[in-house]
Amino acid sequence: GAGVSQSPRYKVAKRGQDVALRCDPISGHVSLFWYQQALGQGPEFLTYFQNEAQLDKSGLPSDRFFAERPEGSVSTLKIQRTQQEDSAVYLCASAISLPDTQYFGPGTRLTVL
Amino acid sequence: GIQVEQSPPDLILQEGANSTLRCNFSDSVNNLQWFHQNPWGQLINLFYIPSGTKQNGRLSATTVATERYSLLYISSSQTTDSGVYFCAGESGGAGSYQLTFGKGTKLSVIP
Repeated sequence: GAGVSQSPRYKVAKRGQDVALRCDPISGHVSLFWYQQALGQGPEFLTYFQNEAQLDKSGLPSDRFFAERPEGSVSTLKIQRTQQEDSAVYLCASAISLPDTQYFGPGTRLTVL
Repeated sequence: GIQVEQSPPDLILQEGANSTLRCNFSDSVNNLQWFHQNPWGQLINLFYIPSGTKQNGRLSATTVATERYSLLYISSSQTTDSGVYFCAGESGGAGSYQLTFGKGTKLSVIP
């Protein structure tokens, strides 16, 4: 595909469940980012990969959040033991190089009940 | 990290009107982008503009890096321009490429 894709688009989880969110970056893009967007706010940085290496995870809010990109392409953001405050839209972005334009996917809207 | 302030927070325009959105940064930035978030939540790239002026159709942007601000101009607004406009900057510290976003300007264009 031409753009960044994410799946699922919507996810409802019961509090305490684990969830996994997937990101397919634009082909050939080396850099991949995850952001979290709360309702009415701008996106906030979670973590960043250069190929398969996770170079910055300073934005992950707790050790319940884990991200991986084992082969340097597809990435998965995993949230363990979800809490209500985890409800948000999770956005993935990719870039061919840095600094350069970051292109965003459509996001996954997570609702924790 | 850097702080990003956007103004105005809300803007209502009559179709056909022009507008200027502003973005101020607390520190110098290496990468500055403007986005439009449509009603379905998709963030659409408008400009990558660390400095200077760029134009794309009815939209143009100017960044004055030395004074730490950027402006987005929308001319002859259309209802499809409605949504939230974000600016975001990258502070550029060693290995730091994360974008810091402002809170956005919510634009409503009415017929």
